[in-house]
Amino acid sequence: GQQLNQSPQSMFIQEGEDVSMNCTSSSIFNTWLWYKQDPGEGPVLLIALYKAGELTSNGRLTAQFGITRKDSFLNISASIPSDVGIYFCAGRYIAAGNKLTFGGGTRVLVKP
Amino acid sequence: GAGVSQSPSNKVTEKGKDVELRCDPISGHTALYWYRQRLGQGLEFLIYFQGNSAPDKSGLPSDRFSAERTGESVSTLTIQRTQQEDSAVYLCASSSPSYEQYFGPGTRLTVT
Repeated sequence: GQQLNQSPQSMFIQEGEDVSMNCTSSSIFNTWLWYKQDPGEGPVLLIALYKAGELTSNGRLTAQFGITRKDSFLNISASIPSDVGIYFCAGRYIAAGNKLTFGGGTRVLVKP
Repeated sequence: GAGVSQSPSNKVTEKGKDVELRCDPISGHTALYWYRQRLGQGLEFLIYFQGNSAPDKSGLPSDRFSAERTGESVSTLTIQRTQQEDSAVYLCASSSPSYEQYFGPGTRLTVT
């Protein structure tokens, strides 16, 4: 089946810093999604990407759908404390139906 | 609120017992999904219902897992003869055509 490799697995942020994370796949996707999950809650959709090369912003978040359709990145600019949480990429391949394949997550923590 | 709800929020059961997890989707959403999230990992697809079509069961890990959905309403995920490796958070999501999946808060299952 399709595999998503998400990196980094964890990162520390300091308020005001920009952060970046990415996902790569062994095969193509038609849709890339980025979710954020807070403790004890389900994932919440941040950004959805539907076309290769698409660059989409949502406030301080920017994500891109790679040209090869096998990768995507998410950038968070000027991070704030509430950006702490776990970020997941997810991909959907039309021929496989509407189910999503998730990456392993990037845990964003505050620098002590 | 009108979000996806799941019950119970936590379930502790003894190895070998059967458990039932419930999901109430957003009203009007025709599609319903179940995912499993092991500690520190991403979400794994289990099963997907779309309207009156046959469900996509391709993610169910064994025949001990089954799910039902009546029409476009409540769904129940059943795990028979639970094993310790079944311990995880079970997440439900629903969606309507042209919209992405909205997740519930999950049920944390612990098998002792």
